[in-house]
This record gives sequence, C-alpha cells and structure tokens, in this order.
Amino acid sequence: QSALTQPPSASGSPGQSVTISCTGTSSDVGGYNYVSWYQQRPGKAPKLMIYEVTKRPSGVPDRFSGSKSGNTASLTVSGLQAEDEADYYCSSYAGTNIPVFGGGTKLTVL
Amino acid sequence: EVQLLESGGGLVQPGGSLRLSCAASGFTFRDYAMSWVRQAPGRGLEWVSGISGSIGSTYYADSVKGRFTISRDNSKNTLDLQMNSLRAEDTAVYYCAKSLQRVAARDFDYWGRGTLVTVSS
Repeated sequence: QSALTQPPSASGSPGQSVTISCTGTSSDVGGYNYVSWYQQRPGKAPKLMIYEVTKRPSGVPDRFSGSKSGNTASLTVSGLQAEDEADYYCSSYAGTNIPVFGGGTKLTVL
Repeated sequence: EVQLLESGGGLVQPGGSLRLSCAASGFTFRDYAMSWVRQAPGRGLEWVSGISGSIGSTYYADSVKGRFTISRDNSKNTLDLQMNSLRAEDTAVYYCAKSLQRVAARDFDYWGRGTLVTVSS
C-alpha cells in the first residue's frame, strides 16, 4: 500500500493548461482503469473531479480531463482559472478493495 | 441532497479508544460502499477503511488493521469506525466518504466535513 507519486507543486497562468502526473506501479495505476482525481481547497473536504481515468462527475467543468499511460496517470486542467487553485490528489484501486492516494500537488494560478 | 455528518472526534491519550460515527442522508445508503479517509495536519489523504453496501464486506489499510473496526447500520443510515490502541500517528481529520460503487471502496463522490481526532498525552 505505497502512496502514488505526484509532484509537490504545479503552476500556470490564467488561460493556460497544466498537467499533473501521478505515478504508480503495475499493481495499482498500471493494473486497473480505476484512477480518480480529487480537488481540495483549504479547509474544505475533497471533491471528486475525475473517476475511472477519464470520466467526469456531473457538474465538473470539461476543462478537467484525465488520461493514463502505463503506470502514470495525468490530470490536465485547460483554460486555467483562479478558482482552480487548490491541492489535487490522485487515487488508484490497488486490488482487494484497497485504494491508494498520491501525496498531493499544490496547483498555483499565477 | 446528499449529506454526510461525522461526529465523535476529540482528544484521546495514546492507547485509548474512540468511536466515530457518520450520519448519512439524501441517498439510498444500503446501495453504496462507504469509507473513512483521514488527513493528518498539513499532510495528504490516506484511505483508512471501507465497507461494501448491502453485504457489508470490510477492508482496512495495513496501518490500522487489527486496531480499527468499520461497521454500518443500513436501517439507521449510519457508518461507524471503532478505533482502539490509538497512536500519535492516528491524529488526523477523519472524513466519511461515499463511493460511486456498490462494492468497491473507490471513486468517492461525496464527503463529510470531517471530525478531528487528536491522540496525545
């Protein structure tokens, strides 16, 4: 149950695109199409942004998209807005109903 | 409207016990898996434990296995976490989270506001 690896920080200017990576192993990210992404603003509970690698829950803007290649998943935020500034966490199914989270990435909108 | 409301957090000494509860409303509780996810101060998210919908199969992170017990009461729409042999490293905000799935503890689409557990002498 090792944590997934995310960059500690990422940044971009309004209107730009930014991609956050999430690296695991063949036992989690690479082994299943069950990667999810969460947005957490300071003092708030996490919010589901992407699930099953590419799916967006109702209400999540289509500026948020997910993808996966091998053992690495990615979250792309297009057309950055000030409100996108938050911490982002990836999570992957790791077998036997155990999910594992990444360490989180602080996204700064410059 | 889906609502999850945690309670039961507080200050406890190392080695002590605490029971967290989560009251759920706004959805058919028995149809969805539920989990507890914690976040230590200034740290990232850590999944703690999950339980499937109607059958109630349970799952635990290695860090809490043998010390924590998750349970649910589908007649009262409540989720509990009994925490024993608490350690300083269990200090965190504990969130109750609903899965999109019936069985799998993943894809948490609704979260409570969290309850703070502090383990300290």
